[in-house]
Amino acid sequence: DTGVSQNPRHKITKRGQNVTFRCDPISEHNRLYWYRQTLGQGPEFLTYFQNEAQLEKSRLLSDRFSAERPKGSFSTLEIQRTEQGDSAMYLCASATGPNYGYTFGSGTRLTVV
Amino acid sequence: QKEVEQDPGPLSVPEGAIVSLNCTYSNSAFQYFMWYRQYSRKGPELLMYTYSSGNKEDGRFTAQVDKSSKYISLFIRDSQPSDSATYLCAMRGDSNYQLIWGAGTKLIIKP
Repeated sequence: DTGVSQNPRHKITKRGQNVTFRCDPISEHNRLYWYRQTLGQGPEFLTYFQNEAQLEKSRLLSDRFSAERPKGSFSTLEIQRTEQGDSAMYLCASATGPNYGYTFGSGTRLTVV
Repeated sequence: QKEVEQDPGPLSVPEGAIVSLNCTYSNSAFQYFMWYRQYSRKGPELLMYTYSSGNKEDGRFTAQVDKSSKYISLFIRDSQPSDSATYLCAMRGDSNYQLIWGAGTKLIIKP
């Protein structure tokens, strides 16, 4: 297991298009998190899964954002009708439990033109 | 005012120096404190993880938490050019899942 894997690494899309990102966590980690990071800022929480259950979703997340984690393995984050303000690095992290630090992937950099 | 404040830097020091990085916070409920290192265009990498107050040492890194002052620090001894990166602090309380992050301090180690 080589860590948390995210694909694609970089996505350029036109405003109004839908995009989907994938995250493959470390296999024994049952907790999975999505964060968004813009330049010069710390990551901003988007949503959290424990196994296949989505337990928390940021109030900052509009209805255009949806995430799934079927069978408690990989996860997908979809953004519908993208806007220029969605341009950011989307980070996925996984952990074995609540009292452990997260392992992050390298992120997917989204550019909306 | 942000919940977690961190000087963005950049902080530039010569190779071999001791580096001190700091964060202050306002929420007394925070119990778990972490330091992450982030290289350009990469995800954050966990360096140190501490619970409540006290010190923790791992190799060249020492993390300190002073809950009475709501202040945490990361010290790097014998700094190397490869330590040049952005250092982010993160923290959370007992009863929530979200990490609250500082904006990060950019560190530059000059050879």
